[in-house]
Amino acid sequence: KQEVTQIPAALSVPEGENLVLNCSFTDSAIYNLQWFRQDPGKGLTSLLLIQSSQREQTSGRLNASLDKSSGRSTLYIAASQPGDSATYLCAVRPNDMRFGAGTRLTVKP
Amino acid sequence: DVKVTQSSRYLVKRTGEKVFLECVQDMDHENMFWYRQDPGLGLRLIYFSYDVKMKEKGDIPEGYSVSREKKERFSLILESASTNQTSMYLCASSTPETVVGNTIYFGEGSWLTVV
Repeated sequence: KQEVTQIPAALSVPEGENLVLNCSFTDSAIYNLQWFRQDPGKGLTSLLLIQSSQREQTSGRLNASLDKSSGRSTLYIAASQPGDSATYLCAVRPNDMRFGAGTRLTVKP
Repeated sequence: DVKVTQSSRYLVKRTGEKVFLECVQDMDHENMFWYRQDPGLGLRLIYFSYDVKMKEKGDIPEGYSVSREKKERFSLILESASTNQTSMYLCASSTPETVVGNTIYFGEGSWLTVV
């Protein structure tokens, strides 16, 4: 059974720092990997989708990489802002979708 | 704009009641999902459906059932609500996993409290 792990569980940084969130998965037979953002009490918003054949995707200050063979993905956030404070989840897609427990990010002004 | 709508944001039900959580998507997606989210446990898949009248059990189907009579609607049913089903329930939809670029879209969530 596919298992997804996210490290760290929580992270607090000062505004302006670059940071990296980590995601690992146990089964490399995936169709894609997706990073989401969740604000308190809300649903999930998709940030980046990486197909299994791709190595990375970029959107603005966000860059996600995928190393399928080692079962790892990273989400890089450049020049963090207080508005980036949220929980970030990664999920991998066999036929359904498996989630990590998330990293709770706090960016302090 | 893509939309997954969960009809009830907040519900309070009594133990033993039958509870219906409704989810509608307007994107003609084949796949629909129900998850529950609990602190420290992340999102856990209850059921998913890859076509009308088709369903597959996820990791925690016990105490739940689902119905998908129309493509756009996927209902989660708690046959006899119990206090350990107090949680946030999230519905999602997507195109099939084999479709390139198949982003999954989520509703806003339904907070269920069973007393």
